[in-house]
Amino acid sequence: KAGVTQTPRYLIKTRGQQVTLSCSPISGHRSVSWYQQTPGQGLQFLFEYFSETQRNKGNFPGRFSGRQFSNSRSEMNVSTLELGDSALYLCASSLGTGGSNQPQHFGDGTRLSIL
Amino acid sequence: KQEVTQIPAALSVPEGENLVLNCSFTDSAIYNLQWFRQDPGKGLTSLLLIQSSQREQTSGRLNASLDKSSGRSTLYIAASQPGDSATYLCAVSFYNQGGKLIFGQGTELSVKP
Repeated sequence: KAGVTQTPRYLIKTRGQQVTLSCSPISGHRSVSWYQQTPGQGLQFLFEYFSETQRNKGNFPGRFSGRQFSNSRSEMNVSTLELGDSALYLCASSLGTGGSNQPQHFGDGTRLSIL
Repeated sequence: KQEVTQIPAALSVPEGENLVLNCSFTDSAIYNLQWFRQDPGKGLTSLLLIQSSQREQTSGRLNASLDKSSGRSTLYIAASQPGDSATYLCAVSFYNQGGKLIFGQGTELSVKP
């Protein structure tokens, strides 16, 4: 069974540009969450989608947005990139959400570097 | 504020030693707690998930315990091997937070041959 797939693996952008990251969850998983990982702040929750609906959102500016498609695949978009957006962006999928007590499975992430 | 803390930040042990990693959390109203490992440049690998009603979970040489009332979890690794070298992360799913996980800062483990 294929794991969580994130594309691209690496991305270099300049300040002011925008970027779209993609995540394909494990087959059958309906919940997709996104996290940002930096050396200083660690892993921080961005948002969660379940059945195409945003269920929860972290404390990030409106430049960060996402969506989920009917096949559970998800995209994350960051507009007007800033140097501080350089990070590893991780996607996780799960069969359920919240109290379903299903483990979350992570992809290898997209390494975004802003010049 | 719901927070997760891991101590120590780094740990170095000789091969074959048994070791314990610690995780504490500030709110006992949780759905579950999950332990992950992360290798350099990689994503997270799920190791164990303990539901709030459970006291421990075991997988091979790993044993995770949960004491919800004191807000603590431990990950016990038996007979450590160099291949266990990685960063270990503890993450908590709190009530009314959906699928959101709050992570500790991790413990970087180095097992010396």
